[in-house]
Amino acid sequence: EVQLVESGGGLIQPGGSLRLSCVASGFIVSSYYMSWVRQAPGKGLEWVSIIYGGGVTYYADSVKGRFTISRDNSKNTLYLQMNSLRAEDTAVYYCARGRTSSGWVFDYWGQGTLVTVSS
Amino acid sequence: DIQMTQSPSTLSASVGDRVTITCRASQRVNSWLAWYQQKPGKAPKLLIYQASSLESGVPSRFSGSGSGTEFTLTISSLQPDDFATYYCQQYNSYSTFGQGTKVEIK
Repeated sequence: EVQLVESGGGLIQPGGSLRLSCVASGFIVSSYYMSWVRQAPGKGLEWVSIIYGGGVTYYADSVKGRFTISRDNSKNTLYLQMNSLRAEDTAVYYCARGRTSSGWVFDYWGQGTLVTVSS
Repeated sequence: DIQMTQSPSTLSASVGDRVTITCRASQRVNSWLAWYQQKPGKAPKLLIYQASSLESGVPSRFSGSGSGTEFTLTISSLQPDDFATYYCQQYNSYSTFGQGTKVEIK
């Protein structure tokens, strides 16, 4: 059974850093496109970043230069390193798996982890 | 950046109704369009990809159509489990979601 479990969220001051983790089970993370998608409280979904099986990465303009997506194949885990955090980064962060045939379509999602950026 | 605009933002309907949600893209996205359902406090669930392909396990009352810049999600006969918020997503150029359409009980 495919499962994604995020962790690492919490309350952080503006300008601070946080690393989110997403532990995958039931499939091999390095064989799929993996993404982070966020949702601000009461708002819609926003794609944040993607990492291809081969390691290529892309970022939304809103986080480019501040966030870094990566994975640890030995731990079958996806990460999102978030630096220079701003109030507008406050959101539930979901990790999501891309479909085999189209990696930008997300067929499995984690339960999400809440990041709150506030002083 | 490609902007996605859904209409309506909120839709009131009854069980058994036929429901249609529209999604418009600011540029052509060919058929690279997906639909998701999200319930409060839960992660989104994939319903439709490539504009009209039904994800495995999704009831056949859900269907998608369109190409280019205009797309629709149709629920042929609304069921109690379908009251939720629906999002379209383009993946022709990176990824952008629509703002969501909340389907509520009339």
